[in-house]
Amino acid sequence: GAGVSQSPRYKVAKRGQDVALRCDPISGHVSLFWYQQALGQGPEFLTYFQNEAQLDKSGLPSDRFFAERPEGSVSTLKIQRTQQEDSAVYLCASSLEVTLASTSYEQYFGPGTRLTVT
Amino acid sequence: GENVEQHPSTLSVQEGDSAVIKCTYSDSASNYFPWYKQELGKRPQLIIDIRSNVGEKKDQRIAVTLNKTAKHFSLHITETQPEDSAVYFCAARGGLGSARQLTFGSGTQLTVLP
Repeated sequence: GAGVSQSPRYKVAKRGQDVALRCDPISGHVSLFWYQQALGQGPEFLTYFQNEAQLDKSGLPSDRFFAERPEGSVSTLKIQRTQQEDSAVYLCASSLEVTLASTSYEQYFGPGTRLTVT
Repeated sequence: GENVEQHPSTLSVQEGDSAVIKCTYSDSASNYFPWYKQELGKRPQLIIDIRSNVGEKKDQRIAVTLNKTAKHFSLHITETQPEDSAVYFCAARGGLGSARQLTFGSGTQLTVLP
């Protein structure tokens, strides 16, 4: 089936501009995660949704970062007044992770959006 | 919070040799440990994982071992091939009631020399 998709794949923004990054998770996946990956580093957690509820946003680096998943499927990560330090690859991952009889912890990643702030 | 240390940061092996990458974690409540392979410019791909109630898991040429007491886990790749060249990341997931996100190691650049 279709995997996680993200758009745009590349985004160049001038410092101070707002950007919106989209994630389409695997259909039926309950959990959705956003990660930030700097060059040469491992992904770092930003925020987590279970269906439409944002249960953890402890990784968002500042109040310029905002994420939503209003209908429990597609998610958008918005960055306001972009700064050069926001330049990174933004990865979305989804997981089935039901918490009843069986649990599935596997997280499947999208291709990422490479954001460059000039 | 969870902290995951990974080493070595770079590893070069001859084709056909084995490669071992090691990780340690800090949160004893962590219960799930995946390994991802990431080629340049591509998404991280899950290659194998292990849960905290299992000590070892194998899938063809790759295997993962977990030592809960010592809080470390390792990736073993046997009969390496040039297409195994990539960056490998280990990760840990918090246990019940803890954070559900993955905390990643800093990555190992594996190069398999033909």
